Amino acid sequence: GQQVMQIPQYQHVQEGEDFTTYCNSSTTLSNIQWYKQRPGGHPVFLIQLVKSGEVKKQKRLTFQFGEAKKNSSLHITATQTTDVGTYFCAGPGGTSYGKLTFGQGTILTVHP
Amino acid sequence: GAGVSQSPSNKVTEKGKDVELRCDPISGHTALYWYRQSLGQGLEFLIYFQGNSAPDKSGLPSDRFSAERTGGSVSTLTIQRTQQEDSAVYLCASSFLPRGGRTDTQYFGPGTRLTVL
Repeated sequence: GQQVMQIPQYQHVQEGEDFTTYCNSSTTLSNIQWYKQRPGGHPVFLIQLVKSGEVKKQKRLTFQFGEAKKNSSLHITATQTTDVGTYFCAGPGGTSYGKLTFGQGTILTVHP
Repeated sequence: GAGVSQSPSNKVTEKGKDVELRCDPISGHTALYWYRQSLGQGLEFLIYFQGNSAPDKSGLPSDRFSAERTGGSVSTLTIQRTQQEDSAVYLCASSFLPRGGRTDTQYFGPGTRLTVL
């Protein structure tokens, strides 16, 4: 069935360094979503990408959807301590219509 | 109303007892999901209620787990004969049903932290 793989599992950076997490699917995705979960909190929607090759920016965050719509990435420029948390990608998956399948998440730690 | 709400926020129970966790989705959201998250881990899918269709129960880890959604709104996740490995945060999320093959944004509740002693 549909699998969404996310790497790396953990990333430790110094404040000011860049960070990237990658999401790969075994099948073509109609769209992909990204969520952020702060420590002790719940996942919060960040963005959805739909078009092949799409690039969207939110301040220091850049989201990309691959040309083949099988992979995606989230890049954070000049990380800040407020970026700490777990970043999840999610795509349609499984046999149930509308079901989202989440990647395992990347836990980002930012050292001041 | 506001967002997705869940109750209780914390539940401590003894091994072997049954527990019920409640989720109130956002009004108008016809899709509802339950996930389990162990400390430092990802989201483990449990069950998906998709409007009036039969629920997708493929993620329920054992027959001790069950869930229902009454009147297309409130959902209850029941764990019978709890075990220590059931300790985790149980998250509920709701969304509109997708259109045109696209999934919709999921809105998560704050979760219920279950501790089985």
